[in-house]
Amino acid sequence: AQTVTQSQPEMSVQEAETVTLSCTYDTSESDYYLFWYKQPPSRQMILVIRQEAYKQQNATENRFSVNFQKAAKSFSLKISDSQLGDAAMYFCVIIRDNYGQNFVFGPGTRLSVLP
Amino acid sequence: EPEVTQTPSHQVTQMGQEVILRCVPISNHLYFYWYRQILGQKVEFLVSFYNNEISEKSEIFDDQFSVERPDGSNFTLKIRSTKLEDSAMYFCASSLGLAGGRSGELFFGEGSRLTVL
Repeated sequence: AQTVTQSQPEMSVQEAETVTLSCTYDTSESDYYLFWYKQPPSRQMILVIRQEAYKQQNATENRFSVNFQKAAKSFSLKISDSQLGDAAMYFCVIIRDNYGQNFVFGPGTRLSVLP
Repeated sequence: EPEVTQTPSHQVTQMGQEVILRCVPISNHLYFYWYRQILGQKVEFLVSFYNNEISEKSEIFDDQFSVERPDGSNFTLKIRSTKLEDSAMYFCASSLGLAGGRSGELFFGEGSRLTVL
């Protein structure tokens, strides 16, 4: 079974500053994918960033980047130049590589962005 | 841009009643999911559906729950006899999957809020 832990239920960041959201996971699989999904208030979840476990290079998407430490089973999300629109619930998600079944979500981190 | 649509956005029902939540996944997607989220808490997997059958289901998805893809476009979740603890936001999602180098990205609907009284 796969599990995902997000140890920070809530975080806040000043606008334009940088924040890092933590995620650790447990899996017995060697091939898997990790995602960060964002859930703004009263809106559906959208993909922020994706990382394949077989890739050593950390994924980046504009202001969003990850620090993927496979041996430590750690997958943190860094948001640079935080904007008010970044305020949301962020979920760390893992899926094993078997045809896209059963994404496992972490409990989420609620991020507030202070003006 | 293609999107996953869900109806109704909010349904209130009496305990013991049957509820059907409807979803229209993105048309060329292959994998379909139902997740639920109780009061903004953890997102819980219910069931995944592929090739016209359930591919995986969680412990939550007991005999009270069923899914159907009756016409090739709609994907429904039925709860036969609702309980108070079924009150939650139910999210439908679809995906192209991971095969062939695809991203595996889940596309979510906006959710159906179910309130059981």
